[in-house]
Amino acid sequence: SQTIHQWPATLVQPVGSPLSLECTVEGTSNPNLYWYRQAAGRGLQLLFYSVGIGQISSEVPQNLSASRPQDRQFILSSKKLLLSDSGFYLCAWSLETLNTEAFFGQGTRLTVV
Amino acid sequence: AQSVTQLDSHVSVSEGTPVLLRCNYSSSYSPSLFWYVQHPNKGLQLLLKYTSAATLVKGINGFEAEFKKSETSFHLTKPSAHMSDAAEYFCVAISGGSYIPTFGRGTSLIVHP
Repeated sequence: SQTIHQWPATLVQPVGSPLSLECTVEGTSNPNLYWYRQAAGRGLQLLFYSVGIGQISSEVPQNLSASRPQDRQFILSSKKLLLSDSGFYLCAWSLETLNTEAFFGQGTRLTVV
Repeated sequence: AQSVTQLDSHVSVSEGTPVLLRCNYSSSYSPSLFWYVQHPNKGLQLLLKYTSAATLVKGINGFEAEFKKSETSFHLTKPSAHMSDAAEYFCVAISGGSYIPTFGRGTSLIVHP
């Protein structure tokens, strides 16, 4: 069966520090991968998505970046965090077929102080 | 392009009374539609999905949703609310145009004893 792992679960980082959040998927091949951010009291905002290794599409201009070094690995990074980067980050995967849902990791609560 | 509109940011009900969470969509393609639930600081769990089979879809925990093409709606209902239903609910569309999950802004369900 397919599983998705996302870590860490919580993170407190000072302003200006780097960030690396990792997500891995097991049990499937060539998934579409996504990073979403959920700010307090708001819906989910798509940050990045990837349809294959090394292919990254950015939806929102910001100081975050994403990489996909392996088929089932998706990394969200920042060189210097801002206060506004605080939020709940969710990784997800889906297959590029109709009628299949997206599967989500458990999320990372990031607090920038 | 596709979009999802959840008409209520908050819905408040008493335990044992019916629940109605509203969702409308727009899409250039016939979408697959989903409802997810998110408990605080958790990932998203799939409640149910519509994939062009039966228009009335039954999900977990007594929830169901009806796809109405003429109204472009996919409202989520439950006959009797339970305290454990208090959570954030997201309506999501995936269409053949992009396969990227598009989220509504979410509806916070509050259940009073």
